[in-house]
Amino acid sequence: DQQVKQNSPSLSVQEGRISILNCDYTNSMFDYFLWYKKYPAEGPTFLISISSIKDKNEDGRFTVFLNKSAKHLSLHIVPSQPGDSAVYFCAASVMYSGGGADGLTFGKGTHLIIQP
Amino acid sequence: DTAVSQTPKYLVTQMGNDKSIKCEQNLGHDTMYWYKQDSKKFLKIMFSYNNKELIINETVPNRFSPKSPDKAHLNLHINSLELGDSAVYFCASSRDLRRVQETQYFGPGTRLLVL
Repeated sequence: DQQVKQNSPSLSVQEGRISILNCDYTNSMFDYFLWYKKYPAEGPTFLISISSIKDKNEDGRFTVFLNKSAKHLSLHIVPSQPGDSAVYFCAASVMYSGGGADGLTFGKGTHLIIQP
Repeated sequence: DTAVSQTPKYLVTQMGNDKSIKCEQNLGHDTMYWYKQDSKKFLKIMFSYNNKELIINETVPNRFSPKSPDKAHLNLHINSLELGDSAVYFCASSRDLRRVQETQYFGPGTRLLVL
């Protein structure tokens, strides 16, 4: 049962352009969302997060947008740089479940390739 | 200085064997986790462990047992390995189990292949 879906396994974007990675979720209890970035042979590293009381969070070149009614979030990277080439995982959690014991629920990831 | 480290990085073993994966974090975090990334690339929580309290994901077979000698270590023991256990296992840690906003820091992963 896929509660977090990233329907694009890969995405190719030209350097300098905007990269938009999409994520959909089905569990309406989720109220905290994160993006992780993963290079080959390394563990995921935290990138940016957003709680459900917001619809946008920005950190430098990275912006996450949340559309609660559509159960959809997206990560915008602008401008895209070669070092952004990696797998991006969307993750979700329930903030007030009494703890993080349930861990994070991850999507399958989208492989972003930045073309020079 | 690696924040979350795992050993070994690669593990190839025969079906039926018992093996362990070690995890150490030097971040002073209270909470540690084990995740499994299967062949379909899903990263799924297996266990979380906080101040000697173990919280088990009930879908995990009891052949898997985490052991925490101290707050900085959470090892994963797997008995009677099966072919389906082949996956990448990630250890992670965070400051506080009760706050999901706390960033989880992941180790580099252990690639387990069961033959």
